[in-house]
Amino acid sequence: EIVLTQSPATLSLSPGERATLSCRASQSVSGYLAWYQQKPGQAPRLLIYDASNRATGIPARFSGSGSGTDFTLTISSLEPEDFAVYYCQRRSNRPPFSFTFGPGTKVDIK
Amino acid sequence: QVTLRESGPALVKPTQTLTLTCTFSGFSLTTNGMCVSWIRQPPGKALEWLALIDWDDDKYYSTSVKTRLTISRDTSKKQVVLTMTNMDPVDTGTYYCARGLYRGFDYWGQGTLVTVSS
Repeated sequence: EIVLTQSPATLSLSPGERATLSCRASQSVSGYLAWYQQKPGQAPRLLIYDASNRATGIPARFSGSGSGTDFTLTISSLEPEDFAVYYCQRRSNRPPFSFTFGPGTKVDIK
Repeated sequence: QVTLRESGPALVKPTQTLTLTCTFSGFSLTTNGMCVSWIRQPPGKALEWLALIDWDDDKYYSTSVKTRLTISRDTSKKQVVLTMTNMDPVDTGTYYCARGLYRGFDYWGQGTLVTVSS
């Protein structure tokens, strides 16, 4: 089973700063990795799919990169509404379909 | 527009069977590539994918809970149902249904909190 590890667990930054979040897979997931944002009491929101594709309506300050086992979510300049928990998620590329989420990175206000 | 809404009991006793219903609108589950998943989240913890049903009525389950899960659909009612047997307090959490597969889970319900307690 593929395990996802996210680092750091918590990232303390100020508005306007750049955030760099890491997701590492225990074995290659090719480019089949997504990123989600979750705020307290809300459902997750899809940000990025297939490593680098922004989902509909996602601002350009969010970008994803990576392939294989190492992936990065970058928020170029933090807005107040970006302070949240971020999860990465891999999927299998063919049946039988399976999905795994990482443990999350909390981005909080410094 | 696409919406999903979960419904089901807020409280179940240990060993009981949980039945959750996801009622969706704005898309057809018989359209090629469409899928609905169930995903859960214990309080303060990470997300865990549980099961997926696809446009062809194929079903896929998490290996960790596979023996306890059944996912099914009623396309005329636009519903996806998840049953989980032998509930335990560790199954307490918020249960979400979500649409998607190849391009991520792009639409989610608001979630329903299920507490397992005697």
